[in-house]
Amino acid sequence: QVQLVESGGGVVQPGRSLRLSCAASGFMFSSYGMHWVRQAPGKGLEWVTIISYDGSNENYADSVKGRFTISRDNSKNTVYLQMNSLRAEDTAVYFCAKDLGQGSSTYDMDVWGKGTTVTVSS
Amino acid sequence: EIVLTQSPATLSLSPGERATLSCRASQSVISYLAWYQRKPGQAPRLLIHDASKRATGIPARFSGSGSGTDFTLTISSLEPEDFAVYYCHQRGVWPYTFGQGTKLEIK
Repeated sequence: QVQLVESGGGVVQPGRSLRLSCAASGFMFSSYGMHWVRQAPGKGLEWVTIISYDGSNENYADSVKGRFTISRDNSKNTVYLQMNSLRAEDTAVYFCAKDLGQGSSTYDMDVWGKGTTVTVSS
Repeated sequence: EIVLTQSPATLSLSPGERATLSCRASQSVISYLAWYQRKPGQAPRLLIHDASKRATGIPARFSGSGSGTDFTLTISSLEPEDFAVYYCHQRGVWPYTFGQGTKLEIK
């Protein structure tokens, strides 16, 4: 069964850091790009970042560029999101998602986790 | 940045009725438009990609249409499990963006 499970969320003070993890199973992880998407309380979905299947390419939303870093370990079937210099507006549920395309990323996301909650508050 | 405007914001219908959700882009995204379903506490689900292609495992009652700037998600006969929030997402022009969502609620 294809599955993504996020972890690492919690409450953190503004300016601090947090690292999220997403464990994948049930598919050839090393063949697919992986995304992080977030949803702030009462708001819609916001795409955050993507990493290519082999980790050679990354892309970020302007709202997180320079503060967040995505990475992956294909030997562990896991993708990470390192979040630095956190702000109140980063408070959200963070979802990891698998790209639809094998190899080249399409930016359509066909498998999602249930999310992990990040709260940035003093 | 392309703005996706979804309408209506809320749609109140009964099971068995037909639902028509709209997504309008501020400029052409060709056919690079997807629809996602979001239920509280659940993972979002890809329904439609490339405007009209149903994702794997999605029931035939869900269909997508449109191109350029105007897109429609149609649910032919609502089932109780279809009441949720629906988002459109464009990958035609960078930065890729989501619409603000349409809440489909039970009447």
